[in-house]
Amino acid sequence: AQSVTQLGSHVSVSEGALVLLRCNYSSSVPPYLFWYVQYPNQGLQLLLKYTSAATLVKGINGFEAEFKKSETSFHLTKPSAHMSDAAEYFCAVSVRGSARQLTFGSGTQLTVLP
Amino acid sequence: DSGVTQTPKHLITATGQRVTLRCSPRSGDLSVYWYQQSLDQGLQFLIQYYNGEERAKGNILERFSAQQFPDLHSELNLSSLELGDSALYFCASSGTSGGAATGELFFGEGSRLTVL
Repeated sequence: AQSVTQLGSHVSVSEGALVLLRCNYSSSVPPYLFWYVQYPNQGLQLLLKYTSAATLVKGINGFEAEFKKSETSFHLTKPSAHMSDAAEYFCAVSVRGSARQLTFGSGTQLTVLP
Repeated sequence: DSGVTQTPKHLITATGQRVTLRCSPRSGDLSVYWYQQSLDQGLQFLIQYYNGEERAKGNILERFSAQQFPDLHSELNLSSLELGDSALYFCASSGTSGGAATGELFFGEGSRLTVL
């Protein structure tokens, strides 16, 4: 079975600073990996996904993530935080051959300080 | 707007009662997924339907059931409600290509259930 661990349930950064949200996965077969964002009182919105093409994946709103098989990681980064980035971020994994349901991490709440 | 519609957005009910949550997937999507989001359990996969048939089951209680109708909308039925069932219930759908192959899901805005 696959699983995802997000390190840090809360992360605070200053506006303009680097955002780094950590995600490690466990999977016995090559995974598909996703980052979703949830703004208050809203559903989850896909930021980006890794599907075995390029290991550096670019998403919406200036976010990107790098798949590192040797480290079983898929950390999310953004060079310069904006106030509007404040939200909860979820890393998720699905595996090929499964019924395609996503397994989510516990989420990281990002706070952006002025 | 993801294209996935959930009703009601908010629901308050009492313990022991029964409620039904409704989901309309994106146009053309055959798969519907239900997730429960609570503070203590996080996002938990409940159940998946594909074109009317149950495809996968997750951590869904026996008091809960779901179905997908011929028009592809889905309903999640929650019965004998307990305080611990208070949560945000999400419906998601996936397409017939691309997203379905990789597991990408499109989420509705959720139905917030409060059990008093």
